[in-house]
Amino acid sequence: SAVISQKPSRDICQRGTSLTIQCQVDSQVTMMFWYRQQPGQSLTLIATANQGSEATYESGFVIDKFPISRPNLTFSTLTVSNMSPEDSSIYLCSVNRVYNEQFFGPGTRLTVL
Amino acid sequence: TQLLEQSPQFLSIQEGENLTVYCNSSSVFSSLQWYRQEPGEGPVLLVTVVTGGEVKKLKRLTFQFGDARKDSSLHITAAQPGDTGLYLCAGGGGTSYGKLTFGQGTILTVHP
Repeated sequence: SAVISQKPSRDICQRGTSLTIQCQVDSQVTMMFWYRQQPGQSLTLIATANQGSEATYESGFVIDKFPISRPNLTFSTLTVSNMSPEDSSIYLCSVNRVYNEQFFGPGTRLTVL
Repeated sequence: TQLLEQSPQFLSIQEGENLTVYCNSSSVFSSLQWYRQEPGEGPVLLVTVVTGGEVKKLKRLTFQFGDARKDSSLHITAAQPGDTGLYLCAGGGGTSYGKLTFGQGTILTVHP
C-alpha cells in the first residue's frame, strides 16, 4: 500500500484565482494520477503524472487549465487555474501498485465562489 | 474505450439485509478492484481480483470475478450501518497501462 497526504484538505476560492494542490507519498512511485470527483459520484481522471516527463491529460482537460508538476518520485502538484464555480469539486491524487491497484489521498474539497 | 456499467446506482436497505452490486463490461480486464469511500475521505481499496472465476471473501463481503474477466459482483451479507458508503468498481489493464476504468458508483445506505 502507500500513505498519501494532500494539502489543503479544503479551500474556498474566488472566481478567477488559482489554487495549487499538493500530493505527498511516503514511498517512491513512478506514476501518479489526478482525479476530479463530484460528491457521491464516480471519479474522472484528469491526468497521469510521470516523473521526468510531461503529464498526460485526458480528453476534456488541458495543461493551461490544470498544470501539473512532478519534481521527484514522491511529490506532485495540480494547479486549478482561473477558477470558475464549475471547478468546485473534490480533487484526488493516487498512486498505483501491482495489479493496477491504486491508493488514494484524502482529497481536496474545493469551492469556488 | 473501456466502460464499466455499475448497478444499482442507489441502495437503501435495513440492517441485516443482504445486497449485491454488479459491474459489467464488454471489455476484458486484467484485474478488477472494489473500493469503498466515505464522505470526506479518498476511496479505500477493499479487494483486487485477477483470475477469471475468482472468489474472495472479506468478512461479510464476497467478491466474484467473472470467468471471462468482463464482470464482477460484490455481495454483502447481513449489512450493517457501518457498511454505508460509496462503492466503486474499477478495471485495470488493456492498452492504458496503470490507468483504471471506474464504474459509476453505488451509494449504499444501511438503516439501523
